[in-house]
Amino acid sequence: QKEVEQDPGPLSVPEGAIVSLNCTYSNSAFQYFMWYRQYSRKGPELLMYTYSSGNKEDGRFTAQVDKSSKYISLFIRDSQPSDSATYLCAMRISNFGNEKLTFGTGTRLTIIP
Amino acid sequence: DAGVIQSPRHEVTEMGQEVTLRCKPISGHDYLFWYRQTMMRGLELLIYFNNNVPIDDSGMPEDRFSAKMPNASFSTLKIQPSEPRDSAVYFCASNKRGGVYLEQFFGPGTRLTVL
Repeated sequence: QKEVEQDPGPLSVPEGAIVSLNCTYSNSAFQYFMWYRQYSRKGPELLMYTYSSGNKEDGRFTAQVDKSSKYISLFIRDSQPSDSATYLCAMRISNFGNEKLTFGTGTRLTIIP
Repeated sequence: DAGVIQSPRHEVTEMGQEVTLRCKPISGHDYLFWYRQTMMRGLELLIYFNNNVPIDDSGMPEDRFSAKMPNASFSTLKIQPSEPRDSAVYFCASNKRGGVYLEQFFGPGTRLTVL
């Protein structure tokens, strides 16, 4: 079993819809949670990060972490065609000594105009 | 800053040939990571360096893979001999020590096809 599970999609939604992307994880030692966005034929770029359980908002994006359920989500409001990309969740165990990120496989999202 | 630079962007080679991928991290970054991305397995960490020293190579699939970082501005990932199952996109990433959330800056990737 992978440490981080993510539905690969593909997911297609109409422009303006709310999008929900999710990851589950099995390692309770993960403390830091990130979402990366990867456009076609590009490298991933950090979109959002969070540490504690609860919600963090940044414009149209909301990251949600539920450590008790080992479940994280990314919500996109008022989705735009420019949001079409692959979204990867990433997690990290510790700030000291272990610099590794563990990534989900990514969910391919298409926003239909 | 130019960002992380990788070369070549595309590589097509035949099984058994040696392949060398190159990376120039962002100036001033302490850490350098090599990843491999495939549809089936997603983004996998192969190896990472701190101040040019390999720290964790547990993700290197087998002895055919090797990585070096002779100085702070250059790293190579070598596959010898290459096999068709090595076909993937290889990313190099770097980051600066001290970032709590470890934002890694990725290069554009090298798309490798082994025939």
